[in-house]
Amino acid sequence: GAVVSQHPSWVICKSGTSVKIECRSLDFQATTMFWYRQFPKQSLMLMATSNEGSKATYEQGVEKDKFLINHASLTLSTLTVTSAHPEDSSFYICSALPVRQQFFGPGTRLTVL
Amino acid sequence: AQKITQTQPGMFVQEKEAVTLDCTYDTSDPSYGLFWYKQPSSGEMIFLIYQGSYDQQNATEGRYSLNFQKARKSANLVISASQLGDSAMYFCAMREGNGNRDDKIIFGKGTRLHILP
Repeated sequence: GAVVSQHPSWVICKSGTSVKIECRSLDFQATTMFWYRQFPKQSLMLMATSNEGSKATYEQGVEKDKFLINHASLTLSTLTVTSAHPEDSSFYICSALPVRQQFFGPGTRLTVL
Repeated sequence: AQKITQTQPGMFVQEKEAVTLDCTYDTSDPSYGLFWYKQPSSGEMIFLIYQGSYDQQNATEGRYSLNFQKARKSANLVISASQLGDSAMYFCAMREGNGNRDDKIIFGKGTRLHILP
């Protein structure tokens, strides 16, 4: 079946630094990818829709300048958390949707010290 | 208003029993899709089952079946013959639209299922 990968699977960084998370569709092309954030014991919250070749669409309350999304090719979307702070520590998951399913990456656990 | 409602924050079920996880949804779009995902402690999201709003029959996938009651706007997940490995968080989710690749999916708050030996 279709597979979505994420890299890195976990990252620890200092407050104020930027962190880039990659999401790749391995055996299919994804013109659209989605980025979710999940805090402990909570549900997945959609952050933004990443569109290949155009600007991402952010959900209400998500800072565009803080969470930079680049969908440079049909198989790669990146999420950059800029000037990370401890409150940005979370589990970030990307996904892509080949119609009747939505395939998720394994997630990236970000811890900001 | 919540679009996906899962009223059971946690459930305890004896091994080998069947279990029903509740999910109700709210949409005015005639075309939509409903999903169930399992999230074990590792964090990965495992796709279980999908039901399209125009599908004539209730979806089934092995031990998983979806009790789709369109008029009631409910899409309960039924797991038959539960196993210890079924212990996990379960999320109901909905996609509004015709299944275009840019249709976003919204998740419920989840139900944590514990299977007891």
